[in-house]
Amino acid sequence: AQTVTQSQPEMSVQEAETVTLSCTYDTSESNYYLFWYKQPPSRQMILVIRQEAYKQQNATENRFSVNFQKAAKSFSLKISDSQLGDTAMYFCAFMKGVGANSKLTFGKGITLSVRP
Amino acid sequence: DAGVIQSPRHEVTEMGQEVTLRCKPISGHDYLFWYRQTMMRGLELLIYFNNNVPIDDSGMPEDRFSAKMPNASFSTLKIQPSEPRDSAVYFCASGPTGGLEAFFGQGTRLTVV
Repeated sequence: AQTVTQSQPEMSVQEAETVTLSCTYDTSESNYYLFWYKQPPSRQMILVIRQEAYKQQNATENRFSVNFQKAAKSFSLKISDSQLGDTAMYFCAFMKGVGANSKLTFGKGITLSVRP
Repeated sequence: DAGVIQSPRHEVTEMGQEVTLRCKPISGHDYLFWYRQTMMRGLELLIYFNNNVPIDDSGMPEDRFSAKMPNASFSTLKIQPSEPRDSAVYFCASGPTGGLEAFFGQGTRLTVV
């Protein structure tokens, strides 16, 4: 079975600064996908970024980028130029490879607060 | 498409009552998932369907919980009888075959008093 660990329950960052959220996972699979989801106070789960394990290049989406270390089973999210709207819970998630039908295993989440 | 639609958004019920949560997935998606979110346990997968057939219900906590998907556009999660420890946010999500993203509804916040 896969496990996803987010050891920091909460973090705070000043607006316009950079913050990194940590995530580690454990799996025996060789082909899999990793995700970061954002859950703002509205409760909606929003996909922030996705990383395919077979790709060595780290994924980026505008101000969001990941540091994917496959050997270390580490998958951190970096948010640059933090904005007040980034205040939310962030969940790291794992999905097994092809044909895995989008079934996700989530970490416990981290609460990020962006200070004005 | 309006996205995944869940109803109700909030439900308050008394212990022992039956509760039914509803979900309409995105049209064309073959997979439907029910998740539960609590402070203690985070987001847990309860059950998922493929083409209306339950594939894995190992996350369903006990026999009081049941889920159905009578057709491609509708699913229910029922708790009977409800207990205070069932209080949580219940999410429905859907995804296409081979897809790499699960699309979530806005969740139902259930409070059992």
